[in-house]
Amino acid sequence: KQEVTQIPAALSVPEGENLVLNCSFTDSAIYNLQWFRQDPGKGLTSLLLIQSSQREQTSGRLNASLDKSSGRSTLYIAASQPGDSATYLCAVRRSLSYNTDKLIFGTGTRLQVFP
Amino acid sequence: NAGVTQTPKFQVLKTGQSMTLQCAQDMNHNSMYWYRQDPGMGLRLIYYSASEGTTDKGEVPNGYNVSRLNKREFSLRLESAAPSQTSVYFCASSGQSYNSPLHFGNGTRLTVT
Repeated sequence: KQEVTQIPAALSVPEGENLVLNCSFTDSAIYNLQWFRQDPGKGLTSLLLIQSSQREQTSGRLNASLDKSSGRSTLYIAASQPGDSATYLCAVRRSLSYNTDKLIFGTGTRLQVFP
Repeated sequence: NAGVTQTPKFQVLKTGQSMTLQCAQDMNHNSMYWYRQDPGMGLRLIYYSASEGTTDKGEVPNGYNVSRLNKREFSLRLESAAPSQTSVYFCASSGQSYNSPLHFGNGTRLTVT
Protein backbone atom coordinates (compact mmCIF):
# COMPACT_ATOMS: atom_id res chain seq x y z
CA LYS A 1 0.00 0.00 0.00
CA GLN A 2 1.32 3.38 -1.00
CA GLU A 3 2.02 5.74 1.90
CA VAL A 4 3.12 9.34 1.66
CA THR A 5 4.84 11.06 4.57
CA GLN A 6 5.75 14.69 5.03
CA ILE A 7 8.27 15.92 7.55
CA PRO A 8 8.22 18.23 9.40
CA ALA A 9 4.52 18.62 10.18
CA ALA A 10 5.06 22.30 10.97
CA LEU A 11 7.80 24.80 10.34
CA SER A 12 8.27 28.42 11.42
CA VAL A 13 11.04 30.51 9.86
CA PRO A 14 12.01 34.18 9.59
CA GLU A 15 11.49 35.98 6.32
CA GLY A 16 14.31 35.61 3.81
CA GLU A 17 15.36 32.09 4.73
CA ASN A 18 15.75 29.37 2.12
CA LEU A 19 13.91 26.26 3.22
CA VAL A 20 13.28 22.66 2.23
CA LEU A 21 10.12 20.64 2.69
CA ASN A 22 10.35 16.87 2.49
CA CYS A 23 8.04 14.23 1.08
CA SER A 24 8.65 10.49 1.06
CA PHE A 25 6.65 7.67 -0.49
CA THR A 26 6.86 3.91 -0.18
CA ASP A 27 6.07 2.68 -3.70
CA SER A 28 8.21 3.98 -6.56
CA ALA A 29 5.72 2.87 -9.26
CA ILE A 30 4.23 6.33 -9.70
CA TYR A 31 3.22 8.40 -12.70
CA ASN A 32 4.14 11.70 -11.13
CA LEU A 33 4.37 13.70 -7.93
CA GLN A 34 2.58 16.98 -7.33
CA TRP A 35 3.15 19.70 -4.80
CA PHE A 36 0.16 21.74 -3.66
CA ARG A 37 -0.37 24.78 -1.53
CA GLN A 38 -3.42 25.15 0.71
CA ASP A 39 -4.36 28.41 2.37
CA PRO A 40 -6.67 28.34 5.42
CA GLY A 41 -10.28 27.74 4.44
CA LYS A 42 -9.36 27.28 0.79
CA GLY A 43 -8.87 24.50 -1.68
CA LEU A 44 -5.55 23.20 -2.97
CA THR A 45 -3.55 25.02 -5.60
CA SER A 46 -1.18 23.02 -7.77
CA LEU A 47 2.37 24.39 -7.58
CA LEU A 48 4.54 21.91 -9.45
CA LEU A 49 4.12 18.54 -11.10
CA ILE A 50 7.13 16.29 -11.68
CA GLN A 51 6.65 13.42 -14.07
CA SER A 52 8.22 10.08 -13.14
CA SER A 53 10.85 10.51 -15.87
CA GLN A 54 11.89 13.94 -14.62
CA ARG A 55 14.26 14.91 -11.83
CA GLU A 56 13.06 18.41 -11.04
CA GLN A 57 10.72 21.26 -11.89
CA THR A 58 11.07 24.96 -11.22
CA SER A 59 8.59 27.80 -10.96
CA GLY A 60 9.83 31.15 -9.75
CA ARG A 61 11.26 30.76 -6.25
CA LEU A 62 10.09 27.14 -6.05
CA ASN A 63 12.09 24.11 -7.07
CA ALA A 64 10.89 20.55 -6.62
CA SER A 65 13.05 17.48 -7.06
CA LEU A 66 12.15 13.84 -7.39
CA ASP A 67 14.24 10.75 -6.62
CA LYS A 68 12.04 7.77 -7.42
CA SER A 69 14.59 5.17 -6.43
CA SER A 70 14.79 6.46 -2.88
CA GLY A 71 11.12 7.45 -2.72
CA ARG A 72 11.78 11.09 -1.95
CA SER A 73 10.87 14.55 -3.14
CA THR A 74 11.85 17.94 -1.82
CA LEU A 75 10.29 21.35 -2.31
CA TYR A 76 12.83 24.13 -2.06
CA ILE A 77 11.55 27.65 -1.40
CA ALA A 78 14.09 30.40 -1.94
CA ALA A 79 14.05 33.70 -0.06
CA SER A 80 10.86 32.92 1.84
CA GLN A 81 8.22 35.62 2.33
CA PRO A 82 5.28 35.98 4.75
CA GLY A 83 2.98 35.37 1.78
CA ASP A 84 4.43 31.86 1.52
CA SER A 85 2.72 30.94 4.81
CA ALA A 86 0.38 28.05 4.05
CA THR A 87 0.17 24.28 4.25
CA TYR A 88 2.14 22.45 1.58
CA LEU A 89 1.03 19.00 0.50
CA CYS A 90 2.63 16.48 -1.77
CA ALA A 91 0.75 13.77 -3.62
CA VAL A 92 1.84 10.85 -5.78
CA ARG A 93 -0.23 9.62 -8.68
CA ARG A 94 -0.33 5.94 -9.34
CA SER A 95 -2.35 3.44 -11.30
CA LEU A 96 -5.44 1.83 -9.79
CA SER A 97 -6.39 -0.30 -12.77
CA TYR A 98 -6.53 0.00 -16.52
CA ASN A 99 -7.39 3.57 -17.46
CA THR A 100 -7.85 4.74 -13.88
CA ASP A 101 -5.46 6.27 -11.40
CA LYS A 102 -5.52 8.17 -8.13
CA LEU A 103 -3.60 10.69 -6.09
CA ILE A 104 -2.35 9.69 -2.66
CA PHE A 105 -1.72 12.65 -0.39
CA GLY A 106 0.63 13.31 2.46
CA THR A 107 -0.72 15.10 5.53
CA GLY A 108 1.17 18.29 4.77
CA THR A 109 3.70 20.68 6.26
CA ARG A 110 2.27 23.82 7.82
CA LEU A 111 4.67 26.68 7.08
CA GLN A 112 4.74 30.02 8.82
CA VAL A 113 7.10 32.74 7.62
CA PHE A 114 7.31 35.66 10.03
CA PRO A 115 8.58 39.16 9.22
CA ASN B 1 -12.29 31.95 -15.11
CA ALA B 2 -14.19 29.96 -12.45
CA GLY B 3 -12.30 26.61 -12.56
CA VAL B 4 -13.98 24.24 -10.08
CA THR B 5 -17.01 25.56 -8.23
CA GLN B 6 -18.51 23.87 -5.18
CA THR B 7 -21.75 24.62 -3.38
CA PRO B 8 -22.60 25.11 -0.60
CA LYS B 9 -19.56 26.44 1.26
CA PHE B 10 -20.91 25.53 4.68
CA GLN B 11 -23.61 23.16 5.87
CA VAL B 12 -24.85 21.89 9.21
CA LEU B 13 -26.94 18.71 9.26
CA LYS B 14 -28.58 16.65 11.92
CA THR B 15 -27.88 12.93 12.08
CA GLY B 16 -30.04 11.11 9.55
CA GLN B 17 -30.62 14.07 7.26
CA SER B 18 -29.64 13.92 3.62
CA MET B 19 -27.99 16.43 1.32
CA THR B 20 -26.21 16.76 -2.00
CA LEU B 21 -22.94 18.58 -2.55
CA GLN B 22 -22.66 20.12 -5.98
CA CYS B 23 -19.55 20.49 -8.10
CA ALA B 24 -19.06 21.94 -11.55
CA GLN B 25 -15.95 22.58 -13.66
CA ASP B 26 -15.57 24.70 -16.77
CA MET B 27 -12.21 23.35 -17.99
CA ASN B 28 -13.62 20.56 -20.17
CA HIS B 29 -11.93 17.96 -17.96
CA ASN B 30 -12.77 14.30 -18.27
CA SER B 31 -11.89 13.21 -14.73
CA MET B 32 -13.55 14.44 -11.57
CA TYR B 33 -13.01 13.47 -7.93
CA TRP B 34 -14.48 13.85 -4.48
CA TYR B 35 -12.13 13.97 -1.49
CA ARG B 36 -12.64 14.50 2.20
CA GLN B 37 -10.05 16.17 4.40
CA ASP B 38 -9.79 15.41 8.10
CA PRO B 39 -7.16 16.60 10.60
CA GLY B 40 -4.20 14.24 10.74
CA MET B 41 -5.54 12.03 7.96
CA GLY B 42 -4.84 14.03 4.85
CA LEU B 43 -7.13 13.92 1.85
CA ARG B 44 -8.89 10.65 1.15
CA LEU B 45 -10.63 9.77 -2.09
CA ILE B 46 -14.35 9.06 -1.76
CA TYR B 47 -15.40 8.54 -5.38
CA TYR B 48 -14.09 9.44 -8.78
CA SER B 49 -15.30 9.61 -12.34
CA ALA B 50 -12.83 8.96 -15.14
CA SER B 51 -15.28 10.13 -17.79
CA GLU B 52 -18.88 11.14 -18.29
CA GLY B 53 -21.16 8.24 -17.44
CA THR B 54 -18.68 6.35 -15.26
CA THR B 55 -18.09 6.42 -11.52
CA ASP B 56 -15.92 4.31 -9.23
CA LYS B 57 -15.32 3.93 -5.52
CA GLY B 58 -12.27 5.37 -3.85
CA GLU B 59 -10.83 4.65 -0.43
CA VAL B 60 -13.80 5.69 1.74
CA PRO B 61 -17.06 5.35 -0.25
CA ASN B 62 -19.33 4.02 2.50
CA GLY B 63 -22.25 6.34 3.25
CA TYR B 64 -21.93 8.27 -0.01
CA ASN B 65 -23.29 8.14 -3.53
CA VAL B 66 -22.29 10.13 -6.59
CA SER B 67 -23.72 11.16 -9.91
CA ARG B 68 -21.80 12.32 -12.96
CA LEU B 69 -24.64 14.34 -14.40
CA ASN B 70 -22.72 15.45 -17.49
CA LYS B 71 -19.14 16.30 -18.33
CA ARG B 72 -19.24 19.46 -16.20
CA GLU B 73 -21.02 18.29 -13.06
CA PHE B 74 -20.26 15.68 -10.42
CA SER B 75 -22.42 15.58 -7.29
CA LEU B 76 -21.91 13.83 -3.95
CA ARG B 77 -24.90 12.69 -1.91
CA LEU B 78 -25.14 11.78 1.74
CA GLU B 79 -28.30 9.74 2.15
CA SER B 80 -28.31 9.56 5.95
CA ALA B 81 -25.68 11.79 7.49
CA ALA B 82 -23.64 10.59 10.47
CA PRO B 83 -21.31 12.54 12.80
CA SER B 84 -18.36 10.61 11.30
CA GLN B 85 -19.06 12.43 8.04
CA THR B 86 -18.20 15.78 9.59
CA SER B 87 -15.37 16.93 7.36
CA VAL B 88 -14.29 19.30 4.64
CA TYR B 89 -15.20 17.99 1.20
CA PHE B 90 -13.26 18.89 -1.91
CA CYS B 91 -14.13 18.36 -5.52
CA ALA B 92 -11.33 18.22 -8.09
CA SER B 93 -10.94 17.73 -11.81
CA SER B 94 -8.16 16.93 -14.24
CA GLY B 95 -7.55 16.38 -17.91
CA GLN B 96 -7.34 12.98 -19.53
CA SER B 97 -3.58 12.56 -19.25
CA TYR B 98 -2.35 11.21 -15.94
CA ASN B 99 0.23 14.02 -16.08
CA SER B 100 -2.49 16.64 -16.00
CA PRO B 101 -2.48 18.48 -12.65
CA LEU B 102 -5.54 18.39 -10.43
CA HIS B 103 -7.59 21.52 -9.94
CA PHE B 104 -9.54 21.84 -6.70
CA GLY B 105 -12.62 23.72 -5.60
CA ASN B 106 -12.65 25.72 -2.37
CA GLY B 107 -14.41 23.02 -0.40
CA THR B 108 -17.60 22.46 1.57
CA ARG B 109 -17.31 22.46 5.34
CA LEU B 110 -19.91 20.00 6.65
CA THR B 111 -20.86 19.51 10.29
CA VAL B 112 -23.18 16.68 11.33
CA THR B 113 -24.59 16.95 14.84
